[in-house]
Amino acid sequence: QVQLVQSGAEVKQPGSSVMVSCQASGDTFTKYTITWVRQAPGQGLEWMGRIIPSVNIRNLAPEFQGRVTLTADKSTNTAYMELNNLRSDDTAVYYCARETTTFKGFDYWGLGTLVTVSP
Amino acid sequence: DIQMTQSPSSLSASVGDRVTITCRPSQSINSYLNWYQQKPGKAPKLLIYGASSLQSGVPSRFSGSESGTDFTLTISSLQPEDFATYYCQQGYRGWTFGQGTKVEIK
Repeated sequence: QVQLVQSGAEVKQPGSSVMVSCQASGDTFTKYTITWVRQAPGQGLEWMGRIIPSVNIRNLAPEFQGRVTLTADKSTNTAYMELNNLRSDDTAVYYCARETTTFKGFDYWGLGTLVTVSP
Repeated sequence: DIQMTQSPSSLSASVGDRVTITCRPSQSINSYLNWYQQKPGKAPKLLIYGASSLQSGVPSRFSGSESGTDFTLTISSLQPEDFATYYCQQGYRGWTFGQGTKVEIK
């Protein structure tokens, strides 16, 4: 059974950075893509970007380019999402999910990590 | 960017009702359309991929279809556990979600 275990909630000051981790188990980490989605309180889902750990290729949504860094550690089956220069509107639940092929969507999700940006 | 227009934004229905939710992309997406269900405080759950393929373990009362430029999620007989928010998603160029449809109890 595939599991994606995310790091715990964070409270950050505006202008700082946050790193969220996502550790995969139950399948070969390098067989798929890890994608990141966020959801602000009471709002919809927003795709942020993806990383293919096997070849270290990344794609970011335009609105996150320059502020988000995606990395993956194949030795620990862990993906990381770092968001810089935090603003209050970055307060959201951040999810990682597994993407096997572009056609098949995101079939496994982490439980989410709440990031609160507050002075 | 491909925009996804989902309708309605909310609906009220009763147990046993047939429910349909529609999603229209701003350009052709070649059936790269997925549907998710999300309950409060939970991660989304994949229901349908490739416009009409049922994800493993999802009840058969859920179905997806494509007609012209529109994509539809149908719940044939609404069950108590189906009250949730539903999102469409295109995967043809990057990923974009619709705004969501909240299905509430009438």
